[in-house]
Amino acid sequence: AQSVTQLGSHVSVSEGALVLLRCNYSSSVPPYLFWYVQYPNQGLQLLLKYTSAATLVKGINGFEAEFKKSETSFHLTKPSAHMSDAAEYFCAVSHQGGKLIFGQGTELSVKP
Amino acid sequence: DGGITQSPKYLFRKEGQNVTLSCEQNLNHDAMYWYRQDPGQGLRLIYYSQIVNDFQKGDIAEGYSVSREKKESFPLTVTSAQKNPTAFYLCASSISRGQGPTEAFFGQGTRLTVV
Repeated sequence: AQSVTQLGSHVSVSEGALVLLRCNYSSSVPPYLFWYVQYPNQGLQLLLKYTSAATLVKGINGFEAEFKKSETSFHLTKPSAHMSDAAEYFCAVSHQGGKLIFGQGTELSVKP
Repeated sequence: DGGITQSPKYLFRKEGQNVTLSCEQNLNHDAMYWYRQDPGQGLRLIYYSQIVNDFQKGDIAEGYSVSREKKESFPLTVTSAQKNPTAFYLCASSISRGQGPTEAFFGQGTRLTVV
């Protein structure tokens, strides 16, 4: 069975600081991995996805994630946080284009 | 403009009442999904459908029902059997099944409150 664990339900950073949101997955087969962002009372928007073409994946809004098979991780990073990055972030896994399994989410706060 | 439309945005339900949440997509996607979101619990899958006239239960299907009579529509009914229906409901769709890392596209959600 596939699963995703996001470490830290809440992360707080200062504006301009590095953002690191952690995601570990469990999958018996090569996974497809995704990061989504959700702003209050809205749906989810895709930030980036891992397609097995490259281990370092670049997404929208300056975010990127690195797939590390040996660590079963897919952590999300951004070099410099902006106030507009404050939102909830979800890591998700799927197999063969099927349904997505989501982590619990990490709420990112950005302090001025 | 292609996308997924959920309606209504806010819905209030009385005890013992059935309510139906609408989800329509014009992306020509085969697969559609319903998720429930509660604070601190992420998104949990209620039902999904990979083709018209077929659907499968997700992890928390009890107290819910769906239909998939048309490719573009996947309504969710919250029945009186659902004891704790207050939540944020998200509908999603994806292009196809079994063909690689196809991401899901989401609607804006419906917030259901029991009064």
